[in-house]
Amino acid sequence: KNEVEQSPQNLTAQEGEFITINCSYSVGISALHWLQQHPGGGIVSLFMLSSGKKKHGRLIATINIQEKHSSLHITASHPRDSAVYICAVGPEETSGSRLTFGEGTQLTVNP
Amino acid sequence: KAGVTQTPRYLIKTRGQQVTLSCSPISGHRSVSWYQQTPGQGLQFLFEYFSETQRNKGNFPGRFSGRQFSNSRSEMNVSTLELGDSALYLCASSLFLSRGNEQFFGPGTRLTVL
Repeated sequence: KNEVEQSPQNLTAQEGEFITINCSYSVGISALHWLQQHPGGGIVSLFMLSSGKKKHGRLIATINIQEKHSSLHITASHPRDSAVYICAVGPEETSGSRLTFGEGTQLTVNP
Repeated sequence: KAGVTQTPRYLIKTRGQQVTLSCSPISGHRSVSWYQQTPGQGLQFLFEYFSETQRNKGNFPGRFSGRQFSNSRSEMNVSTLELGDSALYLCASSLFLSRGNEQFFGPGTRLTVL
């Protein structure tokens, strides 16, 4: 079993829909990251969370440390949101910036 | 501020050759991490450098090595290339060597081994 599990693996939505991507992890963490990867490979950091909730524009990320679970929400989805969304954790036992990644969620938003 | 840069962006090599990839972090960032991304294994941590010293290492064979220079620029080297080394290699920089640091990723180097 992977230390970081994401669901769903693939998600297709219509423009305007509310989207949720889930992430569960099995290790103690110092922080959880949500990343976005577009075709071509570049990765953008969306959020870094250690507790609670963060919001940036139409994106909202939440984390429940007790349940070892995080969600990424996209409100009023748009075709430009189409990308792979990756959950990553910084394990508590490591001293540096090392990340362990989920397999990613491929999101396609159709106009 | 300029972002993380990686060179080259694309590379084609043959089995048995060696390759060196370069990463320049954001100005002022002192930690550089390297990751490998393949369709089969996803994203995996290779190693992390801080103050010219390797601080963390992932589960990769000794053919994978790296170094960091005094200006925080980093290189990684893969010797005796295998077909399975074909991947996107990403580096990420952060300010410090500490847990819970935000990381900024470069565009990656896509390596193809024939």
